[in-house]
Amino acid sequence: SAVISQKPSRDICQRGTSLTIQCQVDSQVTMMFWYRQQPGQSLTLIATANQGSEATYESGFVIDKFPISRPNLTFSTLTVSNMSPEDSSIYLCSVEGLAIGPETQYFGPGTRLLVL
Amino acid sequence: GQNIDQPTEMTATEGAIVQINCTYQTSGFNGLFWYQQHAGEAPTFLSYNVLDGLEEKGRFSSFLSRSKGYSYLLLKELQMKDSASYLCVLNDYKLSFGAGTTVTVRA
Repeated sequence: SAVISQKPSRDICQRGTSLTIQCQVDSQVTMMFWYRQQPGQSLTLIATANQGSEATYESGFVIDKFPISRPNLTFSTLTVSNMSPEDSSIYLCSVEGLAIGPETQYFGPGTRLLVL
Repeated sequence: GQNIDQPTEMTATEGAIVQINCTYQTSGFNGLFWYQQHAGEAPTFLSYNVLDGLEEKGRFSSFLSRSKGYSYLLLKELQMKDSASYLCVLNDYKLSFGAGTTVTVRA
């Protein structure tokens, strides 16, 4: 497995502002992903963070709203832009790679976001 | 879509056995995961079935039948700490999550 950390662990933000969430892994991984889990619901994939190129977004998610960076094989950021109360959710990063177990994703502890 | 269906809630007694069923509709996929998620925490990996059949791992076992579009997670000798949500997840170039089954273990 891998040790994954996220910052911040939680935040309360005002509508219209932006928040950048960081995800750090203790080993190099092939794939990094960003998910959203809204209250009482299961996880929804936002995008795949690609190292050295633009992220691949799922239907319903766009780069202007959720810009993603992945400058190397151990780090990624997700920004939630121009926030509204509907963005209140838990945001989780996950990682996958042969070195930590093929095809298995391991999740970070999540960032709990409340938008007022 | 995958149309992943699993029961919303199940309740069982400490020491008992509970079976969580999951059905899905998809034309093909790499494998099926089960994850455990305690309230307020991230999902943690339990099992991964690629081939049909039963995979046993201590108190937890997972079964897959591709022809029937069916999987189950079997939890034996239930403990209070097993109270959590259990997620049935299809691996088809990306992960597709079921809504989860909340298991409550009572003393």
